[in-house]
Amino acid sequence: DAGVTQSPTHLIKTRGQHVTLRCSPISGHKSVSWYQQVLGQGPQFIFQYYEKEERGRGNFPDRFSARQFPNYSSELNVNALLLGDSALYLCASSWTGNFYQPQHFGDGTRLSIL
Amino acid sequence: AQTVTQSQPEMSVQEAETVTLSCTYDTSENNYYLFWYKQPPSRQMILVIRQEAYKQQNATENRFSVNFQKAAKSFSLKISDSQLGDTAMYFCAFMKVLTGNQFYFGTGTSLTVIP
Repeated sequence: DAGVTQSPTHLIKTRGQHVTLRCSPISGHKSVSWYQQVLGQGPQFIFQYYEKEERGRGNFPDRFSARQFPNYSSELNVNALLLGDSALYLCASSWTGNFYQPQHFGDGTRLSIL
Repeated sequence: AQTVTQSQPEMSVQEAETVTLSCTYDTSENNYYLFWYKQPPSRQMILVIRQEAYKQQNATENRFSVNFQKAAKSFSLKISDSQLGDTAMYFCAFMKVLTGNQFYFGTGTSLTVIP
């Protein structure tokens, strides 16, 4: 079975632009979470969606938004990009909305802001 | 606010030896979960072990075990019989249950297993 897939793998944007990152969970998984991992730091939790509803939100500005589709795939949108948004964005899926269930991570999208 | 602290940025261990990675956390919650995740150089994060705060017994998964000290808010990971494939970044993580799902990672410990 395919693991968590994220697209694109790499992305280069300029300040002020917006970006959409995509994530397809493992088949059967209904929860998707997004994390931002700045170089040299641990991942920071952005959002969790379960059954198309937001279940958790980290301490990120409103420029960050996400949604989950009926097929449980998800998009993360970031508007008005700043240099500080440069990071690896990780998506993770799990069976349920309970984080105690193991989260399965994708390889991430490397976003660079110029 | 919840915080997770890993005070050892880098560690190394000889193959077949035992190593312990430290983690402390700060929370006012009483019901929570703790995890260790491993991120090999290929970047994909993998769950190593997890612990429920209300369980006093330390979790064990094959060569991996934890020392959970709730009063001290300490959650260390012991890796026995270290193998080359254990080389990775190790992240301690905290999950609170009440008031919405939140998940917090520490800054990580880079572990190198030396042949």
